[in-house]
Amino acid sequence: AQSVTQLDSHVSVSEGTPVLLRCNYSSSYSPSLFWYVQHPNKGLQLLLKYTSAATLVKGINGFEAEFKKSETSFHLTKPSAHMSDAAEYFCVVSDGGNTGKLIFGQGTTLQVKP
Amino acid sequence: EAQVTQNPRYLITVTGKKLTVTCSQNMNHEYMSWYRQDPGLGLRQIYYSMNVEVTDKGDVPEGYKVSRKEKRNFPLILESPSPNQTSLYFCASTLYPGQSSYEQYFGPGTRLTVT
Repeated sequence: AQSVTQLDSHVSVSEGTPVLLRCNYSSSYSPSLFWYVQHPNKGLQLLLKYTSAATLVKGINGFEAEFKKSETSFHLTKPSAHMSDAAEYFCVVSDGGNTGKLIFGQGTTLQVKP
Repeated sequence: EAQVTQNPRYLITVTGKKLTVTCSQNMNHEYMSWYRQDPGLGLRQIYYSMNVEVTDKGDVPEGYKVSRKEKRNFPLILESPSPNQTSLYFCASTLYPGQSSYEQYFGPGTRLTVT
């Protein structure tokens, strides 16, 4: 069965410093992986997705993620945090097959300090 | 504008009073689903629908019903709500669920409180 584990429930950075949000996955086959962001009182927005093409995936707003099969990781990074990046971030794996189910991690709250 | 809409956005109700949360998409998507979000648990799938008149249980279907009479609508029904159904609910849709290259679109969420 597929699963994802977000290693930090809360990350705090200063504005202008790098962001690292960690995610490990478990999958019996080559997975499709996503990062979604949820701003306060807002819906979910897709940041980026990995679907077995390039292992370094670029997303919106300067975010990137690298798929590392040997480490079963899909960490999200950004070189320089902005105040508007403060939100909750979800690492997600597709269940595969045709059910369309997305399996969400527990979420990481990113705090950006001025 | 391509979007998934949900109504109501906020709802406070009492135990046992039947309610319906509506979900509608304007992208002609085949697939729709419902999730609930609880602190520390991420989102969990309640029900999904592959097409009109085709629905199936997700991971946490107890206490919920759904119907898919039209392609664009997928209402979530709580026949007898209980306090443990207090949660944030999201509707999602996509064109082809078996192809993850197709993005899943989420609605804005419905915050339900059952007292």
